[in-house]
Amino acid sequence: GAGVSQSPSNKVTEKGKDVELRCDPISGHTALYWYRQRLGQGLEFLIYFQGNSAPDKSGLPSDRFSAERTGESVSTLTIQRTQQEDSAVYLCASRAGVGRVEQYFGPGTRLTVT
Amino acid sequence: KNQVEQSPQSLIILEGKNCTLQCNYTVSPFSNLRWYKQDTGRGPVSLTIMTFSENTKSNGRYTATLDADTKQSSLHITASQLSDSASYICVASGYSTLTFGKGTMLLVSP
Repeated sequence: GAGVSQSPSNKVTEKGKDVELRCDPISGHTALYWYRQRLGQGLEFLIYFQGNSAPDKSGLPSDRFSAERTGESVSTLTIQRTQQEDSAVYLCASRAGVGRVEQYFGPGTRLTVT
Repeated sequence: KNQVEQSPQSLIILEGKNCTLQCNYTVSPFSNLRWYKQDTGRGPVSLTIMTFSENTKSNGRYTATLDADTKQSSLHITASQLSDSASYICVASGYSTLTFGKGTMLLVSP
């Protein structure tokens, strides 16, 4: 079975441009998370989707960040007007559902803002 | 504020040797303690998950311990292999949040 996949694997963009990152969770997993991992730092929670419930957006650092998820499938994380401090690896993880603890991570998208 | 502190920051050991990584956490409420292995350029992969009532859990050559009273955990790696070279991340989970440590970078040298 396929794991969590993310695309692109690497993205270089100019400051001020918008970027869109994609996450394909494990089929059937109802929960999906986005995290940011800056160089030398621990993972930071960004946003959490659980089924059809309203997402937990409490980790989004600014209104330039947004994410969507279509049903229980693909999710996209959008960063508008990128800044150099947005440079990081963006990781997506999925979890089978309520009562299941294990999160399965994708390989991440390395974003570099020049 | 929820925090997870890991030590050492980095470690170099010879192949075949054992090592122990440390984790101190301040997370409340506390649900479980996780250790992940993250290879360079890859996402984290779960090694162990322990609830507050568990003291130890093993996964092959990896053994994690948990002292919920002192809020400390350790990850012991036995008979290290070159493939163990990675970042090891300690994660303390509340009921709905995860707090990640910065990781210990382990290099196993031939």
